[in-house]
Amino acid sequence: DVKVTQSSRYLVKRTGEKVFLECVQDMDHENMFWYRQDPGLGLRLIYFSYDVKMKEKGDIPEGYSVSREKKERFSLILESASTNQTSMYLCASSFSSFGGGADTGELFFGEGSRLTVL
Amino acid sequence: AQSVTQLGSHVSVSEGALVLLRCNYSSSVPPYLFWYVQYPNQGLQLLLKYTTGATLVKGINGFEAEFKKSETSFHLTKPSAHMSDAAEYFCAVTLYSSASKIIFGSGTRLSIRP
Repeated sequence: DVKVTQSSRYLVKRTGEKVFLECVQDMDHENMFWYRQDPGLGLRLIYFSYDVKMKEKGDIPEGYSVSREKKERFSLILESASTNQTSMYLCASSFSSFGGGADTGELFFGEGSRLTVL
Repeated sequence: AQSVTQLGSHVSVSEGALVLLRCNYSSSVPPYLFWYVQYPNQGLQLLLKYTTGATLVKGINGFEAEFKKSETSFHLTKPSAHMSDAAEYFCAVTLYSSASKIIFGSGTRLSIRP
């Protein structure tokens, strides 16, 4: 089974702190994603990466950065956390047709990291 | 631009009753359509997907959905609800068979009454 593991299920941070959310996948997927989930808004894409050291902004990248040094690991960074970044963060991965796989659009998700910024 | 609308943020049905969750999409070309389910305190998992071919798609846990191009709909149904079906359901669409372009609806929370 595909496994996407997010390192922290629950975090509580203070305003201005630097926050790292880590995600690891074990299926050799080329694509990795960070989404933010808020009630009534569905999932909104923050960043995605289609290869090591490659990244593209999603719909709401402001206040976030990402790092992908290894294929299996994708990190989301909040340089200076703010209260409006309190949310559920979901990591996902998928195959890429560019990598020779069959990209059918299916995403494989981690269990989520619920971040509270006080 | 593509978009997805889920009608009803919350649906409540009795155990054993029909489940119907509505999803309409906007797309200028044939889309790829998905339903994902999120159980409490978990990530999303794929319930079913339509890419090409048969318009009635069967998924896990007895769910199915029908792609109706004329109505631009992809409603999710299950003949008989079970308590374990209580979850949030997300409809999603992508135009280019690429996960990097997927757009999610705002979600529908399904509650099951005993």
